[in-house]
Amino acid sequence: DTAVSQTPKYLVTQMGNDKSIKCEQNLGHDTMYWYKQDSKKFLKIMFSYNNKELIINETVPNRFSPKSPDKAHLNLHINSLELGDSAVYFCASSQGQGSSPLHFGNGTRLTVT
Amino acid sequence: KQEVTQIPAALSVPEGENLVLNCSFTDSAIYNLQWFRQDPGKGLTSLLLIQSSQREQTSGRLNASLDKSSGRSTLYIAASQPGDSATYLCAVLLGGGGFKTIFGAGTRLFVKA
Repeated sequence: DTAVSQTPKYLVTQMGNDKSIKCEQNLGHDTMYWYKQDSKKFLKIMFSYNNKELIINETVPNRFSPKSPDKAHLNLHINSLELGDSAVYFCASSQGQGSSPLHFGNGTRLTVT
Repeated sequence: KQEVTQIPAALSVPEGENLVLNCSFTDSAIYNLQWFRQDPGKGLTSLLLIQSSQREQTSGRLNASLDKSSGRSTLYIAASQPGDSATYLCAVLLGGGGFKTIFGAGTRLFVKA
């Protein structure tokens, strides 16, 4: 009965490959997010979707493309992976655009070799 | 540009001590402030959320205060336990279109038995 689940937990791939990370929440929230946590543990927002509409798109390379097929899902597709993409990617959700607590998934550790 | 700073970066205390973690932010125009806990290899767990109109929130041994005018928040942990060992992050929610959450780098807490 995990609230925010993301898969896979670990992802090791080579430069130039394309990969996807999936996220699902069963909390009935209307807003979902992708965050990136780098090696220095800084957590930065990448994207935010509210009711399947893109709300926040930080200065993320267009190799990163989020897709929200419905309110409960927000997937992240990454094209042409680079070494610098190695990080932990967290999915999160909330009811409303942040006025309620954020609920995080356990993260996907992406390693690009 | 909003910046969130947490002091100290790391803290080690003996079990049973009361302790205070500090968070400061540069722009007082926030909607709310959240304190999170992150365990190694896990996502973030929301501990307390303080709306901008509130001064403090309490949950069990945790008490968080907010002083918007001075750009400060503290997280007070009473009677610390080894199970409290984790990284504690504070985050502020900005308005102005987009509702972005800006995170501090966290305080790594170690409670010695």
